[in-house]
Parts: sequence; C-alpha cells; structure tokens
Amino acid sequence: KNQVEQSPQSLIILEGKNCTLQCNYTVSPFSNLRWYKQDTGRGPVSLTIMTFSENTKSNGRYTATLDADTKQSSLHITASQLSDSASYICVVSGAPFFDNAGNMLTFGGGTRLMVKP
Amino acid sequence: DADVTQTPRNRITKTGKRIMLECSQTKGHDRMYWYRQDPGLGLRLIYYSFDVKDINKGEISDGYSVSRQAQAKFSLSLESAIPNQTALYFCATSSAGHEQYFGPGTRLTVT
Repeated sequence: KNQVEQSPQSLIILEGKNCTLQCNYTVSPFSNLRWYKQDTGRGPVSLTIMTFSENTKSNGRYTATLDADTKQSSLHITASQLSDSASYICVVSGAPFFDNAGNMLTFGGGTRLMVKP
Repeated sequence: DADVTQTPRNRITKTGKRIMLECSQTKGHDRMYWYRQDPGLGLRLIYYSFDVKDINKGEISDGYSVSRQAQAKFSLSLESAIPNQTALYFCATSSAGHEQYFGPGTRLTVT
C-alpha cells in the first residue's frame, strides 16, 4: 500500500531558529513530491513540487530536498518566523507531468510546527 | 483561497440528516475534488471530477455522493450523516497537468 510518513508529528521552535521536517514514502510509481503549508482553518497551499530528477528546490526561506533512491524528502525552514506556525504536509504523486489524477496522490499526516517568540 | 469557496464553513448536524456541502471556483479549472481530513491523518479523496460529465469515486466514497452542476460548481452530499463523518472537508480544483488549489474547508460535526 502506498504510504507517506512524516516526522516529527509536532515541533516547537523559537523564532529565528532553523528546523527540518522529514518525509519518507513508499509510493510507486513515483512522479513528483510536493510540500504544502496549511494554516489553521485554511486549505493547504503549495510550497514546492519536485520531480524524481530534482534534488533540491527553494521557495524563499523554505528549501526542500529529495532523495529518490532512499525515498526520503526533507523541508528545511530557515530563520523561522511566527507566521511559519502551521501544519506542513508532504504529498507524493504517481501521476506523470504533475497531473492530479485523483487516485494517484498520497498525503502524509503532516507535521504541526509552532514557532514561539 | 478566495478563488475556491466552500459553504458552509461550519456545520453541526444530527445523525441521519441529509447535508450538502458546496464548492465554487472562479479559476476556470476543469477538474474538481472533494477530500476529508481527520486529525493526524492525511487528506483522503472522496470523489473527483475531470469535467461536468465525469465523476469518479475516490478512496472513501461510501456514504457520500456528489453532483457537478457546472464547471465551476461541485457539491458533496451526505445522504444520512453518521458521527464518524465528523471531519474537515476540503474542495480542490486544478487544470490538467497543474497544481491543485484548495478551498478554505468546511468543518462538519455530526452528533
């Protein structure tokens, strides 16, 4: 069964510090991996999308890495801000060309990050 | 989120009642999706539609039905609500080959 496991489940850090969130997957076939940010009471918003040929991709203070051989990804947040407090969701797609064939996305349970002043 | 709207945002209903959740989008996307999210679990797909005449079951369609009234509207119905359908429900849209955009969610409580 396709699975996406995220760790830790929750994390508390101080404002200004860095942190790294982990994602391990057992999805096959693999096409691309996405990281989403979900603020409380809001829908998920895309941060990055990486195909199997991409090792790293940045979006401002967010940097995602992908190791398709070990089926692991990480999301690194630099110089955290209070507004980074949210859940971060890893999603793996088996559909080609960023297609969203509905039955080919597997969502992780998310990491809940709290940034304290 | 303003491009994808969901109504109602919160709803409390009783076991056995029929309830409809509505989703509208102004992004011009042809594809629409309904997901549910439970605490600590990943989003799970209920139904998806690639155009007005196309409806497909997702991973957890039992107990749910959908209607694609127009390209911009996709509604989810619970024919006879039960407590384990208490969850956060998200609508999403996309065009072929592009990223999904999620609505703000509907928090449904079945007592």
